[in-house]
Amino acid sequence: DIVMIQSPLSLPVTPGEPASISCRSSQSLLHSNGYNYLDWYLQKPGQSPQLLIYLGSNRASGVPDRFSGSGSGTDFTLKISRVEAEDVGLYYCMQGTYWPLYTFGQGTKLEIK
Amino acid sequence: QLQLQESGPGLVKPSETLSLTCTVSGASISGSTSYWGWIRQPPEKGLEWIGTVFYTGTTHYNPSLKSRVTVSVDTSRNQFSLQMTSVTAADTAVYYCARLDYGNGAASWGQGTLVTVSS
Repeated sequence: DIVMIQSPLSLPVTPGEPASISCRSSQSLLHSNGYNYLDWYLQKPGQSPQLLIYLGSNRASGVPDRFSGSGSGTDFTLKISRVEAEDVGLYYCMQGTYWPLYTFGQGTKLEIK
Repeated sequence: QLQLQESGPGLVKPSETLSLTCTVSGASISGSTSYWGWIRQPPEKGLEWIGTVFYTGTTHYNPSLKSRVTVSVDTSRNQFSLQMTSVTAADTAVYYCARLDYGNGAASWGQGTLVTVSS
């Protein structure tokens, strides 16, 4: 089984400051085709999750450029260059390399200090 | 614009079968290259992928739930469905339907529906 581990689980951030969330997988997510099938999602309070990043580093349509994704293999990072109040919520990573099986991380709760 | 809407009973008794339907509008399930899936979130917990279906009827399931879950598609109604048998309180969750595209993640989600398992 693929296990996705996120850290930290709780992330208090001052508005305007940067934030970083780590996602590590128990097995490499680097597919033989060269892609890492790793997505990032944000679930704002009371809402459904929304796609932020796909293929490790590609921003989804409409996602502000303060969000960026990086990493390869087993280690991935989501960075927010300057946190805004609207960024609060739960952040999840999800692997799709081992399609048709999908696995989520436990989630990271970002809150404003 | 693609929209997904879950529907079904909000309360199910223990040991009975949970049944939910997702109605897709703004796009046709038939002939789509997308997979259509179910994801759930127990109260105060994280997301768990349940299973997916292709318009041809091909299905894939989370191994931990496979023995109790069936996902099916009805292209004539542009809907797909979830059935989960022998439910317990541990199956209480918000159930989301979503479109999953290989390599492009789950870009479209329904609003979610809370299903409570209780007598």
